[in-house]
Amino acid sequence: NAGVTQTPKFQVLKTGQSMTLQCAQDMNHEYMSWYRQDPGMGLRLIHYSVGAGITDQGEVPNGYNVSRSTTEDFPLRLLSAAPSQTSVYFCASSYSNRGRNEQFFGPGTRLTVL
Amino acid sequence: TQLLEQSPQFLSIQEGENLTVYCNSSSVFSSLQWYRQEPGEGPVLLVTVVTGGEVKKLKRLTFQFGDARKDSSLHITAAQPGDTGLYLCAGLMRGTYKYIFGTGTRLKVLA
Repeated sequence: NAGVTQTPKFQVLKTGQSMTLQCAQDMNHEYMSWYRQDPGMGLRLIHYSVGAGITDQGEVPNGYNVSRSTTEDFPLRLLSAAPSQTSVYFCASSYSNRGRNEQFFGPGTRLTVL
Repeated sequence: TQLLEQSPQFLSIQEGENLTVYCNSSSVFSSLQWYRQEPGEGPVLLVTVVTGGEVKKLKRLTFQFGDARKDSSLHITAAQPGDTGLYLCAGLMRGTYKYIFGTGTRLKVLA
């Protein structure tokens, strides 16, 4: 199993450009999430999904869109990039194990917006 | 609003010393997880605690979930340089599938 994979690993965008960060998992997990990590702020939840066709907002959803057409894939779209979106983005998947939801993280995408 | 506060933020200790990291909140969580993150990588799960008062031990690491399920601690005995990293706690909000992460504790263990 590859686990959780993310592409690209690095990306530089200009202000106003759009792009999609890809995330895929091969563990048949129901739940998938996107986080951003900024220095001194831990990880903040952007959007999450509890199954194909179901998504919801996290703490910092503005400027990002998601969709979940399959169990395996959960792409994150930046509609019009802004310098404030410079961050490291992590995708995670999890299953529910008698209340002990175990999260598995991808390697991250490092995004710089100029 | 940061719901989970970790302390200390930074910790630099000598090999062989003991340390405790705290994770505190005013909110009640369904479960609480501890992760360790290496530079350039994603967080890796260390443990999940679910029951108030639960204590789990992984070799030299001891994790405790508060009785009220609002706080947790991570104790490392006889720290080693391999323990160096960023330690994150994460609480699962009750009735949701949302995880809230703490601000992190950056640990450096000197040989």
